[in-house]
Amino acid sequence: GNSVTQMEGPVTLSEEAFLTINCTYTATGYPSLFWYVQYPGEGLQLLLKATKADDKGSNKGFEATYRKETTSFHLEKGSVQVSDSAVYFCALSGRNNNDMRFGAGTRLTVKP
Amino acid sequence: DAMVIQNPRYQVTQFGKPVTLSCSQTLNHNVMYWYQQKSSQAPKLLFHYYDKDFNNEADTPDNFQSRRPNTSFCFLDIRSPGLGDAAMYLCATSRDGPGRRGSYEQYFGPGTRLTVT
Repeated sequence: GNSVTQMEGPVTLSEEAFLTINCTYTATGYPSLFWYVQYPGEGLQLLLKATKADDKGSNKGFEATYRKETTSFHLEKGSVQVSDSAVYFCALSGRNNNDMRFGAGTRLTVKP
Repeated sequence: DAMVIQNPRYQVTQFGKPVTLSCSQTLNHNVMYWYQQKSSQAPKLLFHYYDKDFNNEADTPDNFQSRRPNTSFCFLDIRSPGLGDAAMYLCATSRDGPGRRGSYEQYFGPGTRLTVT
């Protein structure tokens, strides 16, 4: 079945550091890929998405590229801020929306 | 703004006492989901409604039920909460389209944190 594996946290960075959170997937067919962010005590918010190979999703300085050859969708940001501290979930959706699979989540803490 | 609303944000119930969590949406999406999220874990899908069609996940306990009286509202009923049911409960919605390609993202509410005493 479909599944997502993302790098374990927690990740602690200093402000303005470069961020990479690795995400790889296993899926049949052509899934859509998502990154969600969850701030403390809140629900999940969509950060970015990509629906086909080589698509790049981007939002708020974050970006991720759908790499079919490496089955990856790594999240990157060039310069993190304290306000980026949150838990980040990689997810994929198969043929049906009810087939959404989440990774285990990576907690990011950014220190001033 | 169109959104997904969950009430209450925090709910305390006693062991074995039935509790209902509510979710409403102004997005007019035809699909609504309920997830359970325990601390530091990924959300776990309990069930979803595609319009009025209820779809239960195979491993969702019978203790959990749901109702969707109309497009806008969906309820999660826990008939006899146990200590292990303490968690954050997330409601989400999505639209669907021709071919059900699955490219439509889910929109989440802020969640209801359930405490069982």
